[in-house]
Amino acid sequence: AQSVTQPDIHITVSEGASLELRCNYSYGATPYLFWYVQSPGQGLQLLLKYFSGDTLVQGIKGFEAEFKRSQSSFNLRKPSVHWSDAAEYFCAVGAYKQGGKLIFGQGTELSVKP
Amino acid sequence: NAGVTQTPKFRVLKTGQSMTLLCAQDMNHEYMYWYRQDPGMGLRLIHYSVGEGTTAKGEVPDGYNVSRLKKQNFLLGLESAAPSQTSVYFCASSSGLAGTYFGPGTRLTVL
Repeated sequence: AQSVTQPDIHITVSEGASLELRCNYSYGATPYLFWYVQSPGQGLQLLLKYFSGDTLVQGIKGFEAEFKRSQSSFNLRKPSVHWSDAAEYFCAVGAYKQGGKLIFGQGTELSVKP
Repeated sequence: NAGVTQTPKFRVLKTGQSMTLLCAQDMNHEYMYWYRQDPGMGLRLIHYSVGEGTTAKGEVPDGYNVSRLKKQNFLLGLESAAPSQTSVYFCASSSGLAGTYFGPGTRLTVL
């Protein structure tokens, strides 16, 4: 079955500290992988995407993610968190040939301590 | 360039009432989607469309209908609303490789 798991429901980090949000997927076809961010009461904003090529992808707002096929993971990282990064983060997997449908993880809520 | 827009932003219905949510995109995307978001469950696909005049069921289609008469619009209908349909509804569009772009959402409460 196709699925995305974000093991951490809620993470709290101190401002300036590094961040890693975990994402594991189960997908039969070659996956396209995405990270989205959602601020309270807002829609989803695309942070970054991986289709092929270099397994380390850079996104907006200083985020990066690394695709590890052997571990079926696509973890999101940021070297230094800012208070404005507090939001909910969603990992998603999809396939272009399947109409671009996305399967989402449950989300990880990030809180940032001053 | 407005991206993906949704109408209305908020709505309260009584059980059994009907309504239609409107989604519009100005990016000339072929694919459009309706998702619902519930706490702790991420986003789940209700219905989607791979082109004008086409629709298909997603993960949770029961109780909803959709239509895509024009490429830029994707309508989601609730014929007889139930409290279980209380949720935040997101429309999205995609050209496939460029990623999927979401609207601001519609918060629906069914009493």
